Amino acid sequence: AQSVTQLGSHVSVSEGALVLLRCNYSSSVPPYLFWYVQYPNQGLQLLLKYTSAATLVKGINGFEAEFKKSETSFHLTKPSAHMSDAAEYFCAVSVRYGGSQGNLIFGKGTKLSVKP
Amino acid sequence: DTGVSQDPRHKITKRGQNVTFRCDPISEHNRLYWYRQTLGQGPEFLTYFQNEAQLEKSRLLSDRFSAERPKGSFSTLEIQRTEQGDSAMYLCASSPNVDTQYFGPGTRLTVL
Repeated sequence: AQSVTQLGSHVSVSEGALVLLRCNYSSSVPPYLFWYVQYPNQGLQLLLKYTSAATLVKGINGFEAEFKKSETSFHLTKPSAHMSDAAEYFCAVSVRYGGSQGNLIFGKGTKLSVKP
Repeated sequence: DTGVSQDPRHKITKRGQNVTFRCDPISEHNRLYWYRQTLGQGPEFLTYFQNEAQLEKSRLLSDRFSAERPKGSFSTLEIQRTEQGDSAMYLCASSPNVDTQYFGPGTRLTVL
């Protein structure tokens, strides 16, 4: 079975500070991992994805994530937070075994607040 | 690329009524997924289409739920005899391959 766990349902940072959102995964096969962002009352926008190529993945809006197999982690970072980064962030793993066709299993989300 | 669109964006209905949602995927994407997201939770997978064939259904998809994708283009999700527990955001995503899914804005259902 595959799963993701997001540590911390709420994270608050000051504008200009480092953003670190934590995600740990469990997978019996090499995982495909994703980070999505959701603004209030909107759908999900893909930030970045890991599909077994480079372990350091760069995404949109200055976000990046590093796949660490030894730690089963895929944490999302951004060097300097901006007010517009305030949103909810979801980590997800793609189910690619047992006949499944790539549907995503999501974590419970982390709400990021940015203080001026 | 006009993105994934969903209609309606909001639906309020009374318990016991039937509702239908529509999803228009990105053209040329043959894969289409439906998810449900309740308050404070991540989306949960409901069902998957490849072209017009419904290939996978979650156990969350009770017999009151039915989905179609005629001709492999748009898709509809119908809920019969709605219950208050059906209140959620219903998200549609399309994909050209197994790697990446692009989500629509969602339909928020409120069952009174």
